[in-house]
Amino acid sequence: KNQVEQSPQSLIILEGKNCTLQCNYTVSPFSNLRWYKQDTGRGPVSLTIMTFSENTKSNGRYTATLDADTKQSSLHITASQLSDSASYICVVSRSNDYKLSFGAGTTVTVRA
Amino acid sequence: DVKVTQSSRYLVKRTGEKVFLECVQDMDHENMFWYRQDPGLGLRLIYFSYDVKMKEKGDIPEGYSVSREKKERFSLILESASTNQTSMYLCASSNPGLAEANTGELFFGEGSRLTVL
Repeated sequence: KNQVEQSPQSLIILEGKNCTLQCNYTVSPFSNLRWYKQDTGRGPVSLTIMTFSENTKSNGRYTATLDADTKQSSLHITASQLSDSASYICVVSRSNDYKLSFGAGTTVTVRA
Repeated sequence: DVKVTQSSRYLVKRTGEKVFLECVQDMDHENMFWYRQDPGLGLRLIYFSYDVKMKEKGDIPEGYSVSREKKERFSLILESASTNQTSMYLCASSNPGLAEANTGELFFGEGSRLTVL
């Protein structure tokens, strides 16, 4: 069973609307949680990295939250644009381990 | 800006062929990774290297080998390609080294889509 579960698997939103993606994890002991954006046919690009002590981090219109107690994270996209159409991947790292745990991703489609 | 370059974006090979996937990074990063990405699955680590000639197995090393003769270059080798190795292969690099390999930001290449017939 994957230690990082993302929901929904996919979603469609209208341009200008907001959306929230979810990430639940069981990885332990926790080191950090990252969100990546992957455009179709391209490599993933980092959006945010959060450690245990951080519960919110923003990167432009992207805001990530982390609740390390419940082992949940969310990525909120504000005022979506067509260029936000991509797959968003949640990645969790364990202390003292070079292996990262990747979620399967949420595919976001923004329609005009 | 960090640049991770994968030599081939698309490859088509036949079963049993030897396949080389090359990856070069230009930021003097110590860590380099090869991942495999399949639909509906998260990225899976094939091999990790934290220094020249140093490597660690990932979660799915079977059927693959790697080479890191220079710090900037990390090669993935499929000794005898099989159809179940058809996939997208992603190379990544990061700092710092092995001890903190789980903390450094990962920079990915554009990917190499391999089809084995």
